[in-house]
Amino acid sequence: DAGVTQSPTHLIKTRGQQVTLRCSPKSGHDTVSWYQQALGQGPQFIFQYYEEEERQRGNFPDRFSGHQFPNYSSELNVNALLLGDSALYLCASSPVGQGLNTGELFFGEGSRLTVL
Amino acid sequence: EDKVVQSPLSLVVHEGDTVTLNCSYEVTNFRSLLWYKQEKKAPTFLFMLTSSGIEKKSGRLSSILDKKELFSILNITATQTGDSAVYLCAVDPSAGTDKLIFGTGTRLQVFP
Repeated sequence: DAGVTQSPTHLIKTRGQQVTLRCSPKSGHDTVSWYQQALGQGPQFIFQYYEEEERQRGNFPDRFSGHQFPNYSSELNVNALLLGDSALYLCASSPVGQGLNTGELFFGEGSRLTVL
Repeated sequence: EDKVVQSPLSLVVHEGDTVTLNCSYEVTNFRSLLWYKQEKKAPTFLFMLTSSGIEKKSGRLSSILDKKELFSILNITATQTGDSAVYLCAVDPSAGTDKLIFGTGTRLQVFP
């Protein structure tokens, strides 16, 4: 049973560029959430996708956008990158959309983004 | 503003020691409190607590919630080097979402 998978694992970009990160949820899960974890900090909620729509959003600017596909996989896009966007981006999945909210999120290994 | 505060930020112990990690919270809505272990990248689930005073246990780890005083503790007895990790506390403010509010974590280092 594959868990949450993310790609790429590492990437380096320069200021002003755009980046796309990808996530496949755990089998049987229909809801995907994205978190940003800066060095030495706890994860911060970016947004959540269910039924291909953004359902919840944290305190992040519009430069952060996402998408969910019919197979439940998801993308996170960040435009006009800033140095402060350097972080570990974690994808998490759950079956919460099915009303099966056990409270347990399954996290992927993350994509570490460095902005120079 | 909702917030979760963990203490201490960092802890260094020797194998066999017992440690207590603290988590306090101030949130508008509360559904549950969760503990995660983050060794390298992916946080892994430890406990979910919803009721006060009921201890959850898993091997050498245990946790309890006090909803009146708005805090939780995570205890690890007979620590091992494999317990070295960042321990994250998070509050789930409402049902039906995965919008967890995390603390900054406690970094635990266990030396032989």
